[in-house]
Amino acid sequence: DVKVTQSSRYLVKRTGEKVFLECVQDMDHENMFWYRQDPGLGLRLIYFSYDVKMKEKGDIPEGYSVSREKKERFSLILESASTNQTSMYLCASSPTWEGAETQYFGPGTRLLVL
Amino acid sequence: AQTVTQSQPEMSVQEAETVTLSCTYDTSESNYYLFWYKQPPSRQMILVIRQEAYKQQNATENRFSVNFQKAAKSFSLKISDSQLGDTAMYFCAFVPRTDSWGKLQFGAGTQVVVTP
Repeated sequence: DVKVTQSSRYLVKRTGEKVFLECVQDMDHENMFWYRQDPGLGLRLIYFSYDVKMKEKGDIPEGYSVSREKKERFSLILESASTNQTSMYLCASSPTWEGAETQYFGPGTRLLVL
Repeated sequence: AQTVTQSQPEMSVQEAETVTLSCTYDTSESNYYLFWYKQPPSRQMILVIRQEAYKQQNATENRFSVNFQKAAKSFSLKISDSQLGDTAMYFCAFVPRTDSWGKLQFGAGTQVVVTP
């Protein structure tokens, strides 16, 4: 079974702190994604990566950056956390896109910024 | 740009009954894929069913089936013989075949509550 893990289930941070959310997948997938999930808005793509050190902006990249130094690990970075970044963050991975590939999700990190 | 609309924020159904969730999408693409994902209270998002737009036959996975109406841009999910474990948030998602990396566009979700 594909496994996608995220470093924390719950996280509480202060405004202005630098926050790292880590995601690891064990299926040698090329693609990895970071989403944020908010009530009434569904999932929105923040950033994705299609290879090591390669990244592309999603729909809502402002205030975030990412890092992918190894194929299995994809990190989401909040350079200076703000209260409007309080949300659920979901990581996903998938094989190289050839059509209809399933994205496999991690359990999510619920981040509260005070 | 593609948009995915789920017009029912919440639905309640009794065990063993059937519930249908609606999803509409807007696109100018002719070849694309549609998905239904389920997110139970544990928060682990899992794929329920997928449909390829060029296939006429509606996809089915056990108690889950879809009604895909390409001309109407509609992709509804039917859950038959509902079970308590079906209680979850359900998301409809879309990706055009032309997308190089399979980036999904999600709807806002429908919360399904199955009651005894």
